[in-house]
Amino acid sequence: QQPVQSPQAVILREGEDAVINCSSSKALYSVHWYRQKHGEAPVFLMILLKGGEQKGHEKISASFNEKKQQSSLYLTASQLSYSGTYFCGTGPTSGSARQLTFGSGTQLTVLP
Amino acid sequence: DAGITQSPRHKVTETGTPVTLRCHQTENHRYMYWYRQDPGHGLRLIHYSYGVKDTDKGEVSDGYSVSRSKTEDFLLTLESATSSQTSVYFCAISELDRGNTEAFFGQGTRLTVV
Repeated sequence: QQPVQSPQAVILREGEDAVINCSSSKALYSVHWYRQKHGEAPVFLMILLKGGEQKGHEKISASFNEKKQQSSLYLTASQLSYSGTYFCGTGPTSGSARQLTFGSGTQLTVLP
Repeated sequence: DAGITQSPRHKVTETGTPVTLRCHQTENHRYMYWYRQDPGHGLRLIHYSYGVKDTDKGEVSDGYSVSRSKTEDFLLTLESATSSQTSVYFCAISELDRGNTEAFFGQGTRLTVV
């Protein structure tokens, strides 16, 4: 079952902040975040493995609440280059640990 | 860039014909995945492999089969193509072990079934 992402789409101005949420009905071992530009392949952003772990790279960071089976991606002071579709991917702890299942995506548009 | 190549990149085929898509990697990664991408559905897992001749179904496997006879190649076959299988197909590779390594994606194959 695919994880659920929200919102489905967001439009913001350059310099504004955004939050994208990802939740799963299954227990999670990990959460992946990827960004896809139009007509291109998804590109890896980060992985979170532990409950409550936060990671970040420059102005993009994420949190993972293992107990709630939720993750959030934080984009601060958005740049035009942040535009694209963001996907969270989840690797469950139960059943097959080898699957990597993605959500339906969040389309982010950053305007000048 | 990770060495992962999909072929063909574009294909138009007729309803009812079999189609095979190929994913080739040069990274010697253990895990390989096939996804389809459709508007509003994101990336949906079709099949995946965790070793040579070791494959399993994903969430949308009906109408698809896969084979992996060598570490570097993962083939996706549409046994009898239907218009609902018109989509963009992505292959991904990973050394995923309970989710602790990133996945690398191929450039995708755009398949149109007419």
